[in-house]
Amino acid sequence: GIQVEQSPPDLILQEGANSTLRCNFSDSVNNLQWFHQNPWGQLINLFYIPSGTKQNGRLSATTVATERYSLLYISSSQTTDSGVYFCAVNTGKLIFGQGTTLQVKP
Amino acid sequence: GAVVSQHPSRVICKSGTSVKIECRSLDFQATTMFWYRQFPKQSLMLMATSNEGSKATYEQGVEKDKFLINHASLTLSTLTVTSAHPEDSSFYICSARDTQPTKNIQYFGAGTRLSVL
Repeated sequence: GIQVEQSPPDLILQEGANSTLRCNFSDSVNNLQWFHQNPWGQLINLFYIPSGTKQNGRLSATTVATERYSLLYISSSQTTDSGVYFCAVNTGKLIFGQGTTLQVKP
Repeated sequence: GAVVSQHPSRVICKSGTSVKIECRSLDFQATTMFWYRQFPKQSLMLMATSNEGSKATYEQGVEKDKFLINHASLTLSTLTVTSAHPEDSSFYICSARDTQPTKNIQYFGAGTRLSVL
């Protein structure tokens, strides 16, 4: 089956710093979603991004489907950005990567 | 965005009892819903795909008699963990996909934390 790999697995930032999270996938996909899982377990949809670039406030995402990767950019990070970030690819069902655990320190 | 309601949020039960978890799409219709399981510090693993009016499709290694899924309407799917044991303790999350063909997005419930004593 399709493999979804995220990097880095863990990331510690000082408040205000920028970061880039990466998601590689091993085969063509219908679409890709980025999620933020908060400390209570709720998954928050960040982006639905099968290709191209989207921006939402301090977050933006880019997917290059032909090269099978997606990037999530977080600018001016805040402590509330802490949590686990997942990318998930859709092959008829969503397959999740292992996540990047982000900790933003004040 | 679309809202998926999952209930209960937390369950503590004795070994051998059955637990039912409900997943509702509140402001859209969902022909297809999905059930995931997540162990601490791990990713989400798909357990089964729930289709309205038909039998669920289970992923390899998931016992269908253990995890009963019913999707009786376009807004409700239920997962019943039968004869729960401590190893079934986990975080269960449902998601629903909007039926509108232009919206191939899955929305997730808040999850149910199951603890079996």
